[in-house]
Amino acid sequence: GQNIDQPTEMTATEGAIVQINCTYQTSGFNGLFWYQQHAGEAPTFLSYNVLDGLEEKGRFSSFLSRSKGYSYLLLKELQMKDSASYLCAVRDRDYKLSFGAGTTVTVRA
Amino acid sequence: IAGITQAPTSQILAAGRRMTLRCTQDMRHNAMYWYRQDLGLGLRLIHYSNTAGTTGKGEVPDGYSVSRANTDDFPLTLASAVPSQTSVYFCASSEAGDTGELFFGEGSRLTVL
Repeated sequence: GQNIDQPTEMTATEGAIVQINCTYQTSGFNGLFWYQQHAGEAPTFLSYNVLDGLEEKGRFSSFLSRSKGYSYLLLKELQMKDSASYLCAVRDRDYKLSFGAGTTVTVRA
Repeated sequence: IAGITQAPTSQILAAGRRMTLRCTQDMRHNAMYWYRQDLGLGLRLIHYSNTAGTTGKGEVPDGYSVSRANTDDFPLTLASAVPSQTSVYFCASSEAGDTGELFFGEGSRLTVL
């Protein structure tokens, strides 16, 4: 099974940078995903890491260390529309995705 | 392009009633999933199907059943609803392959009284 931990809430100022950490314990690792979910909406895919290192996609970057069971999502140049919940998810060898409880990010002007 | 369609969007149901949540995808994805999302608990996998004709149990399968008669449809049935099944239910699908990102439906909000 999977045990996935991430902070419950974070607050940051518009234009700033926020880093959301995720730690996991898994019986069979096959990739780590980050999803964004705005209130009342469905989750949408942000990033995917399967090898160690940093994946950059515009203002968003995601990092993975498999030996440490650790990932982070970095949000740069924060905008008001980035206020949302960010979900860390780990995929197992059967291609099932297990999610953390999510981190609610509030961006303030 | 619809992607994944869920129905109903919202439903209030009396305890003990039978309910089927419908899910249809038009992306020809092999794998489909049902999750429930509860405040503070995140998304939890109920059942999944890696291909038509096969299903598997997720983290919280009790009280739910699924079927996968064809590639496109993956209904979730609550045989006898209980108040603890009050939740938002998301259907998702994915392709096999490296990223295998999940595509989610818009969700079905179910209230069991």
